[in-house]
Amino acid sequence: KAGVTQTPRYLIKTRGQQVTLSCSPISGHRSVSWYQQTPGQGLQFLFEYFSETQRNKGNFPGRFSGRQFSNSRSEMNVSTLELGDSALYLCASSFRTGAYEQYFGPGTRLTVT
Amino acid sequence: GIQVEQSPPDLILQEGANSTLRCNFSDSVNNLQWFHQNPWGQLINLFYIPSGTKQNGRLSATTVATERYSLLYISSSQTTDSGVYFCAVEITGGSNYQLIWGAGTKLIIKP
Repeated sequence: KAGVTQTPRYLIKTRGQQVTLSCSPISGHRSVSWYQQTPGQGLQFLFEYFSETQRNKGNFPGRFSGRQFSNSRSEMNVSTLELGDSALYLCASSFRTGAYEQYFGPGTRLTVT
Repeated sequence: GIQVEQSPPDLILQEGANSTLRCNFSDSVNNLQWFHQNPWGQLINLFYIPSGTKQNGRLSATTVATERYSLLYISSSQTTDSGVYFCAVEITGGSNYQLIWGAGTKLIIKP
């Protein structure tokens, strides 16, 4: 069974731009969660989508948004990029909603200059 | 909010040594998980362990929910065990949940 895939793996953007990251979950998994990892703040939960609906949301500003498609693939969008948005963005999939047995993708490394 | 503290922050061991990593949390939680992040950033779920003891090969974990801590044991360490070990606790409020992460223990296994 193929694992969780994320595209692109690396991305460089400038302040003020917007970016879209993609996550394809393991086949059969309907939950996709997104996390931000930075050296200063560690791992932080962004949001979770299950069956195309946002089920949970962390404490991030509205510039961070997401969506999920009918095939469970998910995209995360960050608008008006700031230098502090530079991070490793990880997505995780699970067969049910919540944090049960999440499988992580390799991440997208975003650098904002 | 809930605090998740991991110790030690760094650990350097020789191959073949055993180690114990600790995770303390400040409030009741629904669940607790241990993860390993390898040097290339890949995060792997090791254990989903709200309470009790589980074992998987050279790794085992114990969570004592009433005393708010969990331990991860690594026996006969190998260089491939190097990386950062995170514990994360799940808390819920109504229909929502949050996964709160510790800062991690960075483990280096020397050959």
